[in-house]
Amino acid sequence: DVKVTQSSRYLVKRTGEKVFLECVQDMDHENMFWYRQDPGLGLRLIYFSYDVKMKEKGDIPEGYSVSREKKERFSLILESASTNQTSMYLCATPGQIYGYTFGSGTRLTVV
Amino acid sequence: GQQLNQSPQSMFIQEGEDVSMNCTSSSIFNTWLWYKQDPGEGPVLLIALYKAGELTSNGRLTAQFGITRKDSFLNISASIPSDVGIYFCAGQLSGNTPLVFGKGTRLSVIA
Repeated sequence: DVKVTQSSRYLVKRTGEKVFLECVQDMDHENMFWYRQDPGLGLRLIYFSYDVKMKEKGDIPEGYSVSREKKERFSLILESASTNQTSMYLCATPGQIYGYTFGSGTRLTVV
Repeated sequence: GQQLNQSPQSMFIQEGEDVSMNCTSSSIFNTWLWYKQDPGEGPVLLIALYKAGELTSNGRLTAQFGITRKDSFLNISASIPSDVGIYFCAGQLSGNTPLVFGKGTRLSVIA
């Protein structure tokens, strides 16, 4: 089975801090995705990448950037964290056969 | 960005009851998927559908890919307490396009 590992389950950061969320997958997939999950809003796509050093904006990229220096690692960066970025962040990569496999998520609180 | 219309938003049911939820879209998809998310975890794939009109079962779960390619439903029969969680529908136009998610249905089962 595909394994997607997000480095932190819970994070608390201060407003204005630069925040890095890390995601690693073990199946050498080219495609990786970052979603944000908020109550009542479901999962919304922030950024995705189809290969190393490639990135594409999703539906809500404002306030975020990404880095893909190695195929297995896809990092989400909050350049200057704000309270409205308090959320659950989910990383995903294509599953073994169908759909995506998700990491366990990082619950970020910005105070 | 596009999101799917998923209903109901939440459901409270008695153990043993059947559950039905559905998802609609203004545009067609060539793949429909249903995910379940347990508290504190990432979504896990339940069922994937690839052909219009297809009806697929996975244990007590049954899902259908609408004939118009713009909708799908998920049924859960004889609910049990471990069915509690958030269920998401997702659509995908092609293998190279990101999944688009619904806002989720929160299911609570009363023993």
